Amino acid sequence: NAGVTQTPKFRVLKTGQSMTLLCAQDMNHEYMYWYRQDPGMGLRLIHYSVGEGTTAKGEVPDGYNVSRLKKQNFLLGLESAAPSQTSVYFCASSYRPSGLTATGQYFGPGTRLTVL
Amino acid sequence: AQKITQTQPGMFVQEKEAVTLDCTYDTSDPSYGLFWYKQPSSGEMIFLIYQGSYDQQNATEGRYSLNFQKARKSANLVISASQLGDSAMYFCAMREGLDSSYKLIFGSGTRLLVRP
Repeated sequence: NAGVTQTPKFRVLKTGQSMTLLCAQDMNHEYMYWYRQDPGMGLRLIHYSVGEGTTAKGEVPDGYNVSRLKKQNFLLGLESAAPSQTSVYFCASSYRPSGLTATGQYFGPGTRLTVL
Repeated sequence: AQKITQTQPGMFVQEKEAVTLDCTYDTSDPSYGLFWYKQPSSGEMIFLIYQGSYDQQNATEGRYSLNFQKARKSANLVISASQLGDSAMYFCAMREGLDSSYKLIFGSGTRLLVRP
């Protein structure tokens, strides 16, 4: 099993350009998440999905869109990139939790994005 | 207000000694879960340990244990017999309530350096 994979690993964009980050998981997880990690701020949730065809906003959704057309894939789009979106982006997935279970989120390796 | 607070930006520990990484949390929900993740320099997020708010005993996983003090709202990670490979960023995270989205809120992290 590959687990959670992210494409690309690195990307440099110019302000105003668009791009899509791809997250794929082969664990048949229901739930998927996109986070961004900035220095000194930990991880912040951008968008998430609790199943195929569903998406919802997280803590910092502005400037991003997502789609979950297939259960195994979760796409993060930047329509018009800004320097403030320079960050490391992590995708994660998990089983549907039941109550207060110890279900951890499985993370991808991250995508380092620089917007000039 | 910060939901998860990690007050130690960086820490040193001598190899083979124990170290405690602090985490305090803020929630009014009686049901919640607390997680610790490790992020080595390679960047991936590795799930270490979990504590549910109703768990009677402190969680343990190998050399990792969670010192859970509910009244103080603290969930400190204890690493026993530190190894050089323990050098990494460590993040505390919380899942509140029985929120079906299973969103995690992360602290800003503690960088641990193990000295030989």
